[in-house]
Amino acid sequence: DTAVSQTPKYLVTQMGNDKSIKCEQNLGHDTMYWYKQDSKKFLKIMFSYNNKELIINETVPNRFSPKSPDKAHLNLHINSLELGDSAVYFCASSHGQGRSPLHFGNGTRLTVT
Amino acid sequence: GQQLNQSPQSMFIQEGEDVSMNCTSSSIFNTWLWYKQDPGEGPVLLIALYKAGELTSNGRLTAQFGITRKDSFLNISASIPSDVGIYFCAGQLAGANSKLTFGKGITLSVRP
Repeated sequence: DTAVSQTPKYLVTQMGNDKSIKCEQNLGHDTMYWYKQDSKKFLKIMFSYNNKELIINETVPNRFSPKSPDKAHLNLHINSLELGDSAVYFCASSHGQGRSPLHFGNGTRLTVT
Repeated sequence: GQQLNQSPQSMFIQEGEDVSMNCTSSSIFNTWLWYKQDPGEGPVLLIALYKAGELTSNGRLTAQFGITRKDSFLNISASIPSDVGIYFCAGQLAGANSKLTFGKGITLSVRP
């Protein structure tokens, strides 16, 4: 299936831990994103990579570090997790030309206890 | 920064009814998109609009790109129970790697 896939779907962890979320797309897109959806369902962009290069970096704590080993993958590593990091994290991809809609993965629900 | 306004936060309609959702912005956009999110899933693209005044349909869905480029609407006709979900509008400027800005979404409930 052509898609944006992210793992894991659910992640429950304790404060202070470090965790990673993986994302892969087989749509041939050159741009990938991480979005955070809070409890009020608001979607906010965190990062965007084009051909493995960081192009958008919103005001996100340094504890969040994206890594793009190739243009089909964009992983998100989070250090020293805090309660406020609990949210659903969505990976997305597009052709980064400004007229290409985003295709989203199914999300990773992160719960920090 | 750019903001998109969607209201109300929730809408309740009867199966078979039509519903219209509006999205307004303080800024001009070059692209308007409408997404739907089902529980436990990611947003899925419904309609993309690329030109001011453009009217595009996708089955029972119709969306328009406002002439001022500061608004868009989505219309759902003859609603069915599976139309339930969160509907997001999103706007994007021209240019490579431009950021997509989302509205806060409208949660639609359809009573059978």
